[in-house]
Amino acid sequence: SQTIHQWPATLVQPVGSPLSLECTVEGTSNPNLYWYRQAAGRGLQLLFYSVGIGQISSEVPQNLSASRPQDRQFILSSKKLLLSDSGFYLCAWSVRLAGDTQYFGPGTRLTVL
Amino acid sequence: SQQGEEDPQALSIQEGENATMNCSYKTSINNLQWYRQNSGRGLVHLILIRSNEREKHSGRLRVTLDTSKKSSSLLITASRAADTASYFCATVPNTGGFKTIFGAGTRLFVKA
Repeated sequence: SQTIHQWPATLVQPVGSPLSLECTVEGTSNPNLYWYRQAAGRGLQLLFYSVGIGQISSEVPQNLSASRPQDRQFILSSKKLLLSDSGFYLCAWSVRLAGDTQYFGPGTRLTVL
Repeated sequence: SQQGEEDPQALSIQEGENATMNCSYKTSINNLQWYRQNSGRGLVHLILIRSNEREKHSGRLRVTLDTSKKSSSLLITASRAADTASYFCATVPNTGGFKTIFGAGTRLFVKA
């Protein structure tokens, strides 16, 4: 069966520090991968998606970036965190890109101080 | 405003009662999905209903879709304390894109 992992689970970082969040998927090949951010009590905002290794599409201009160095690995990064980057970050995968069921990881709670 | 908007924003019921949550959207869709999120956790897919379907069941869940009114409802029958969570509808607009748009969710609290 398929499993999706995210780490770390929680992170507290000072403003201006770098960020690296990792997501890995097991049990499937060539998944579509997604990074979402969720503000407290709100819905999900799509940040990036990827249909294959090295292929990244950005949905929202910001100081975050994403990379997909391996088929089942998706990384969210920042060179300098802002206070507004605080939130709950969720990684997800799907078999097909268009409106398919998405399977979510457990999330990372990021607090920027 | 958002493509998918849930109503009510919050719902508190007694265990054993039924819970009904509604979702409205603005553009034509390919399908509509409902997800559940326990506090501080990832989302879990509950059910997907296609635009040519009107009703779908899964265990204690019943989902309806009215494309003429651009609305959907999620009914949880005989609720349990463990159903306490946030519930989100997610739509894929039928505009040739793929992006799934999530609403802000309904927070359900089931009192034991």
